[in-house]
Amino acid sequence: AQSVAQPEDQVNVAEGNPLTVKCTYSVSGNPYLFWYVQYPNRGLQFLLKYITGDNLVKGSYGFEAEFNKSQTSFHLKKPSALVSDSALYFCAVREQAGTALIFGKGTTLSVSS
Amino acid sequence: DAMVIQNPRYQVTQFGKPVTLSCSQTLNHNVMYWYQQKSSQAPKLLFHYYDKDFNNEADTPDNFQSRRPNTSFCFLDIRSPGLGDAAMYLCATSRDLFLGQGSHEQYFGPGTRLTVT
Repeated sequence: AQSVAQPEDQVNVAEGNPLTVKCTYSVSGNPYLFWYVQYPNRGLQFLLKYITGDNLVKGSYGFEAEFNKSQTSFHLKKPSALVSDSALYFCAVREQAGTALIFGKGTTLSVSS
Repeated sequence: DAMVIQNPRYQVTQFGKPVTLSCSQTLNHNVMYWYQQKSSQAPKLLFHYYDKDFNNEADTPDNFQSRRPNTSFCFLDIRSPGLGDAAMYLCATSRDLFLGQGSHEQYFGPGTRLTVT
């Protein structure tokens, strides 16, 4: 069965510092990986995806993620955090033939000024 | 420029009293999804429509039903809400269903928070 793990409930970083939000996955076959962000009282917003190709994927708002097949990871990164990046981040996986997005439980990112 | 709209944003219902949540989209997408997100948990897919074809997830309780009268609208009906059904309900859309068909990113609405008293 597919599953996604986000090992950190909360990540705290200072503005201007690099940030990493971790995600590991378990899926049979090739994984299709996604990151979404949820701001308070807002729906989930798509950030980026990995389907195939280059392991480093660039997305919205300066975020990027690195797909590592041997470690079954898809960590979200940003070189310089902004206070406005503070939100709830979800990693999700989907099997090629399936339709459901399987989400991790989410990681709250808090960026302090 | 809202693309996926959910009404109401907050809904309070009584134990056992049927309730309907509404979702509409301006994207003209083929697929509409309903997710349940309980407190501090990940969103969980309940079912989806591809056009008029309804697909129920295997573990979705019978208490949850859905209707899609046209492309733009999709409803979530909870026939007899229990206390355990209190959650955020998220509607999402995508242009296509399978990854090979093109754009399959899901666009989410703001959610409806359901309270059961």
